[in-house]
Amino acid sequence: GEDVEQSLFLSVREGDSSVINCTYTDSSSTYLYWYKQEPGAGLQLLTYIFSNMDMKQDQRLTVLLNKKDKHLSLRIADTQTGDSAIYFCAESKAGTALIFGKGTTLSVSS
Amino acid sequence: DSGVTQTPKHLITATGQRVTLRCSPRSGDLSVYWYQQSLDQGLQFLIQYYNGEERAKGNILERFSAQQFPDLHSELNLSSLELGDSALYFCASSARQGSGNTIYFGEGSWLTVV
Repeated sequence: GEDVEQSLFLSVREGDSSVINCTYTDSSSTYLYWYKQEPGAGLQLLTYIFSNMDMKQDQRLTVLLNKKDKHLSLRIADTQTGDSAIYFCAESKAGTALIFGKGTTLSVSS
Repeated sequence: DSGVTQTPKHLITATGQRVTLRCSPRSGDLSVYWYQQSLDQGLQFLIQYYNGEERAKGNILERFSAQQFPDLHSELNLSSLELGDSALYFCASSARQGSGNTIYFGEGSWLTVV
């Protein structure tokens, strides 16, 4: 079956790095995604990674994928207060709907 | 701005009523997905359409239905509404069913059933 697990909360200080972790169960997933949801807002696509990649970097964001352990992480460098939000991990196969985790609430204190 | 447009943004209605939520996908996108977000259930996939045809069903109740029209916009119909249907309903779209499945979400429609 398909299941995506995330820790519920993460608290960091401004300027530190944040690492949000996710595990998934469907080894046939083709794409793995990170979405950000700010309070009262929609889901913003942050980045995604193909299952044949180990790492993807995009400015302050680094995604690491360990296929063997079915583990995905999102690292945010130099975390700012504006990064406070809920971060969702999601998986899918090509052309299919996303299966989301419950989301990790990131709280950044100054 | 993701390019996915949803209306209405907010809706308050009474139990037993019926509402229709509308979604316009990004220009050129053929796939439309509907999701429900509630505090207790998280983000639940409801249904997917591709180029006018139903492609996949998730946890969609029988009281709910959807369709995708020839111009590719989609509507989600919610009937016999119950208090528990209060949620944020998202529409998302993607270009095609093949590789490069980048899925963009609209801002959502907040439904409150009283």
